[in-house]
Amino acid sequence: EDKVVQSPLSLVVHEGDTVTLNCSYEVTNFRSLLWYKQEKKAPTFLFMLTSSGIEKKSGRLSSILDKKELFSILNITATQTGDSAIYLCAGGGGADGLTFGKGTHLIIQP
Amino acid sequence: EPEVTQTPSHQVTQMGQEVILRCVPISNHLYFYWYRQILGQKVEFLVSFYNNEISEKSEIFDDQFSVERPDGSNFTLKIRSTKLEDSAMYFCASRRDRPGNSPLHFGNGTRLTVT
Repeated sequence: EDKVVQSPLSLVVHEGDTVTLNCSYEVTNFRSLLWYKQEKKAPTFLFMLTSSGIEKKSGRLSSILDKKELFSILNITATQTGDSAIYLCAGGGGADGLTFGKGTHLIIQP
Repeated sequence: EPEVTQTPSHQVTQMGQEVILRCVPISNHLYFYWYRQILGQKVEFLVSFYNNEISEKSEIFDDQFSVERPDGSNFTLKIRSTKLEDSAMYFCASRRDRPGNSPLHFGNGTRLTVT
């Protein structure tokens, strides 16, 4: 059975701090690793990673995949209160559906 | 930016009743999905739909559930004879290309409450 494990499950930091969120996966016939941000309702897409070692960046957010060690990290630098959310990691493989982790609940305090 | 839209945003129904959740995927997308998230739990895959048929379904998606694309734009999830444990947020999602080639985009969800 496919499995995605995220850590930490929750994290409280102060505005301006840098955070690293972790995701390890065991996905049969792995194809992609996706990161989503979930605030009140819909998960909104952040990154899709398919190749090892290539960093993807979007503003203060960046992510990288290690297919040998089967993990990914999501970095957020200079955090702001608007970054407070649940960050979801999902693995896509031979099966059609994505396997999600439980998420990391990130709280940024002013 | 185009988005996946879902209606209603909240549905309350009595146990044993049938509900239909509606979705309009992004217009040039070809692959459609339903996921659910029970409060405080993981997002779980229910079913995928491509070329007017189910391509894959999870163990959760039993005979109580069905999906349909009745016209060129709508994609529906029907739950027959709802149970208390069906209470959850149901997300519709779509992608342009096959899995692994393009990301999944989610709608805002329908919160289903079964009383």
